[in-house]
Amino acid sequence: DAGVIQSPRHEVTEMGQEVTLRCKPISGHDYLFWYRQTMMRGLELLIYFNNNVPIDDSGMPEDRFSAKMPNASFSTLKIQPSEPRDSAVYFCASSASGNTIYFGEGSWLTVV
Amino acid sequence: KQEVTQIPAALSVPEGENLVLNCSFTDSAIYNLQWFRQDPGKGLTSLLLIQSSQREQTSGRLNASLDKSSGRSTLYIAASQPGDSATYLCAVSSPGDTGRRALTFGSGTRLQVQP
Repeated sequence: DAGVIQSPRHEVTEMGQEVTLRCKPISGHDYLFWYRQTMMRGLELLIYFNNNVPIDDSGMPEDRFSAKMPNASFSTLKIQPSEPRDSAVYFCASSASGNTIYFGEGSWLTVV
Repeated sequence: KQEVTQIPAALSVPEGENLVLNCSFTDSAIYNLQWFRQDPGKGLTSLLLIQSSQREQTSGRLNASLDKSSGRSTLYIAASQPGDSATYLCAVSSPGDTGRRALTFGSGTRLQVQP
């Protein structure tokens, strides 16, 4: 299996622009997680899905962030409008029935 | 609210040494505990998963223990090698504030093994 695939790997964008991060989970996994990692706050759970349904989005910072999972093999995390404080590494992860969690390589976002 | 603490924050040891990384958590009502490794600029790689009913798990030179009652886990690395240099993170899966499953991470221990 190719593992969890994220795109883009790196993105530099200007403040105010829309950013869309993409994730393809491991086939057969029923949980999908979006995390954000910064030096100051470490790893934070933003949202997670179970069987394509959002279960807990209490970690989503504000209305500028939204996530969707239209099918079992694809999810997006969108930031609109982006701000410099959104600069971070965004990880997507998946697991089967809440067991071992597998992470993607991350999307490194810089908002200038 | 579950909180996870890792001590020490950084550790430097000579090659060949056995070492222990510590993780503590505040709420013992957990589903499982995972240890991850993160290399610079990379994602997280799962090393070991311990279910709440288990006491330890082993994989090669790695051994992780879990003491739910005291809220502690240790990761033991035998005969450390320079290739073990990375940040090691502990994460606990437990009911979140909403009652749903959530994974809470510690801040990690940055390990450097000197050749």
